Amino acid sequence: QQQVKQSPQSLIVQKGGISIINCAYENTAFDYFPWYQQFPGKGPALLIAIRPDVSEKKEGRFTISFNKSAKQFSLHIMDSQPGDSATYFCAASMTYAGKSTFGDGTTLTVKP
Amino acid sequence: DTGVSQDPRHKITKRGQNVTFRCDPISEHNRLYWYRQTLGQGPEFLTYFQNEAQLEKSRLLSDRFSAERPKGSFSTLEIQRTEQGDSAMYLCASSSTSGANVLTFGAGSRLTVL
Repeated sequence: QQQVKQSPQSLIVQKGGISIINCAYENTAFDYFPWYQQFPGKGPALLIAIRPDVSEKKEGRFTISFNKSAKQFSLHIMDSQPGDSATYFCAASMTYAGKSTFGDGTTLTVKP
Repeated sequence: DTGVSQDPRHKITKRGQNVTFRCDPISEHNRLYWYRQTLGQGPEFLTYFQNEAQLEKSRLLSDRFSAERPKGSFSTLEIQRTEQGDSAMYLCASSSTSGANVLTFGAGSRLTVL
């Protein structure tokens, strides 16, 4: 059962452009929604996260938008840079339950 | 603290052999997770520990897989009688119980079963 669906599978953006990655979840018990960034040969690393009591969170060039009623959340990368080229995973978890459920990832390529 | 360490980074084995992976979490983290990642997929949950107690195992986890965390420190993941379908990246992560489940991942152990 795929509880977190992520799109698109791949994304190509010009330097300076905006990258947008979307995720949808099914389980309304999820209460923590992180995004992870993964470079080749490395494990995923936490980029930014949000809880459902807020609709938006911004950290530098990275913003999460959260729509609780639609059960969707998205990652926006402003002023995308070649160094942002990586695979991005959304995830969802229930804090008391421990485990996180991940989307299938989006491979972002930022062209110079 | 150097983060989450995994060993070995790469393992090539023949079908039917047993393999064991080790994970050393961040010392102050009491939760430890194992995930499996295949090409083009997100990390798939296998199991997790809080201290030395194994609190959850995925229903997808075959009985050929076993994980331990003696004394609540490092953990091992053993795969017995490996199959070609076991070829994947095995990721270990750790977290604390306070606050949100912020996972810190290791670099992973890549298994290739010939």
